Amino acid sequence: EAQVTQNPRYLITVTGKKLTVTCSQNMNHEYMSWYRQDPGLGLRQIYYSMNVEVTDKGDVPEGYKVSRKEKRNFPLILESPSPNQTSLYFCASWPLAVLAGANEQFFGPGTRLTVL
Amino acid sequence: QKEVEQDPGPLSVPEGAIVSLNCTYSNSAFQYFMWYRQYSRKGPELLMYTYSSGNKEDGRFTAQVDKSSKYISLFIRDSQPSDSATYLCAMSASGANSKLTFGKGITLSVRP
Repeated sequence: EAQVTQNPRYLITVTGKKLTVTCSQNMNHEYMSWYRQDPGLGLRQIYYSMNVEVTDKGDVPEGYKVSRKEKRNFPLILESPSPNQTSLYFCASWPLAVLAGANEQFFGPGTRLTVL
Repeated sequence: QKEVEQDPGPLSVPEGAIVSLNCTYSNSAFQYFMWYRQYSRKGPELLMYTYSSGNKEDGRFTAQVDKSSKYISLFIRDSQPSDSATYLCAMSASGANSKLTFGKGITLSVRP
């Protein structure tokens, strides 16, 4: 089954404790991206990657790191999490070819992160 | 001024109504426009993807882009209770494979 998986789905942590949220896709997509979603602020892009070893900043990259060493994986790293990074995080992937329809974009199920 | 503005709503309509959802933007470099639908506790799903100005239709959904006014719209005809969701617009200067900027989303409720 074609899908994007994220782990963990839920995480409660404390300020300053490094954490990684994994994202993996099984569709050989070139493009992967991370978003955070907050009430009243909508969806905001954190980082995106157009292929292995190619990453770029979205609108809100501060406090986050990413890496793209393999095509299928795009982990999101919070080196020193802070309470303002409490949010719902989504990973997504799709092919680089021009999108023709909705069935070409895949979003993960989301990771709800709470930083105390 | 934010790059993308979207009326936060919420919006409630009776079943069968025509729904109009709108976004305005300030960045004239935006050329690619997307509409997403997000059900509660789910990730967004792409509904429509358009380039530059004009209309695009897909079933009951029509996306309209007016670049001269920096205004995009999503029309839903014959709205159904299953259309109840949050709708987000998104825009990019270089296509869906680059940096995307989203509106805040509007929650639509279609009453049976």
